[in-house]
Amino acid sequence: TQLLEQSPQFLSIQEGENLTVYCNSSSVFSSLQWYRQEPGEGPVLLVTVVTGGEVKKLKRLTFQFGDARKDSSLHITAAQPGDTGLYLCAGETSGNTPLVFGKGTRLSVIA
Amino acid sequence: DSGVTQTPKHLITATGQRVTLRCSPRSGDLSVYWYQQSLDQGLQFLIQYYNGEERAKGNILERFSAQQFPDLHSELNLSSLELGDSALYFCASSATSGTPTYEQYFGPGTRLTVT
Repeated sequence: TQLLEQSPQFLSIQEGENLTVYCNSSSVFSSLQWYRQEPGEGPVLLVTVVTGGEVKKLKRLTFQFGDARKDSSLHITAAQPGDTGLYLCAGETSGNTPLVFGKGTRLSVIA
Repeated sequence: DSGVTQTPKHLITATGQRVTLRCSPRSGDLSVYWYQQSLDQGLQFLIQYYNGEERAKGNILERFSAQQFPDLHSELNLSSLELGDSALYFCASSATSGTPTYEQYFGPGTRLTVT
């Protein structure tokens, strides 16, 4: 059973377009993290959100944690080829449990 | 550079063999996590160690084992290898464990190919 469902699975867009990817669950998370992974490399942490309704911005990336702490979204404004990669969300259900990862959204931004 | 190192980068071996993957966490991090990543299963948590003690177990096969040494580096041992064990194996470390939030920093991974 996949606790975290990410959508879409694949996304190919033109440079300059906006996009949103989603991370959904029926479980409540005490925190949720977003990672970006490039081919042949390990995931790199982008952000951690911990409060329901929280919004965090990282340059052109906006992360939102759902009010009920069951879902999250990542919005990218004016996507660039450097944004290409696999975006993973990972949730923590309690302080002593390992992170649960979604399968990711594979983003391709075409110049 | 996350500060987490893994060796080797690539490993090719035959079915039935045994291999050891090595991980050195970021300086000062007490927790080490091992993950397996394959195309169809995504990133699967295997096991976590905290300051030398096993803290949590995930989908780790009985043929696999791990340990964390006093200097905090960790090794993942994979034995009786099967074709299906071919995957990327990642190590991650974090500074704390058991707190409401902890952030993991991943190494570059070891790509294991079993032929």
